Amino acid sequence: EPEVTQTPSHQVTQMGQEVILRCVPISNHLYFYWYRQILGQKVEFLVSFYNNEISEKSEIFDDQFSVERPDGSNFTLKIRSTKLEDSAMYFCASSEARSGDTEAFFGQGTRLTVV
Amino acid sequence: AQSVTQPDIHITVSEGASLELRCNYSYGATPYLFWYVQSPGQGLQLLLKYFSGDTLVQGIKGFEAEFKRSQSSFNLRKPSVHWSDAAEYFCAVMSGATNKLIFGTGTLLAVQP
Repeated sequence: EPEVTQTPSHQVTQMGQEVILRCVPISNHLYFYWYRQILGQKVEFLVSFYNNEISEKSEIFDDQFSVERPDGSNFTLKIRSTKLEDSAMYFCASSEARSGDTEAFFGQGTRLTVV
Repeated sequence: AQSVTQPDIHITVSEGASLELRCNYSYGATPYLFWYVQSPGQGLQLLLKYFSGDTLVQGIKGFEAEFKRSQSSFNLRKPSVHWSDAAEYFCAVMSGATNKLIFGTGTLLAVQP
């Protein structure tokens, strides 16, 4: 069964460092998303991406965040200068279409710890 | 603004007992609703979804949910809980032009033997 894969599963970084979280969406999917879940809190939408550009972003997704689809398979989330409060589980998701009758498939997540 | 409320933060049930997890949403149009489950250290797995039609939807692992427009609810049910159902359950509504998901705060389910 096709699945969304994320690497690494766990990333520890020092405050102020740049991190790149990687995702391989399901191959025929066109819409890509990043969500995050701070420990003990709900899952929050960060950004959606379609046709090589951001479709929508939340207030959380400020200038320190960026997304990219560098090739035909990967979808990355970059945090330029990490802060302690960026520590969270980051989930990538993809969906086949934008119509209402679709669903998002989630990866296993990358746990980012900023120290 | 769209929102999802899960009023129960933590629920404990005995194995074999029935389960109902509550979810209320706020959405201006016809909602697309989802229930996801997250086992410890795992990602989000879709249990079931409601787009239209029959308001009682069946999902995986023996779960079902009923959409009640009059109550703005989409409660998740299971007639007999198994120990492996212990996990966190998230209700979500699909929103906006890009179909982003807005999640509730989750309900942590513990199952007693």
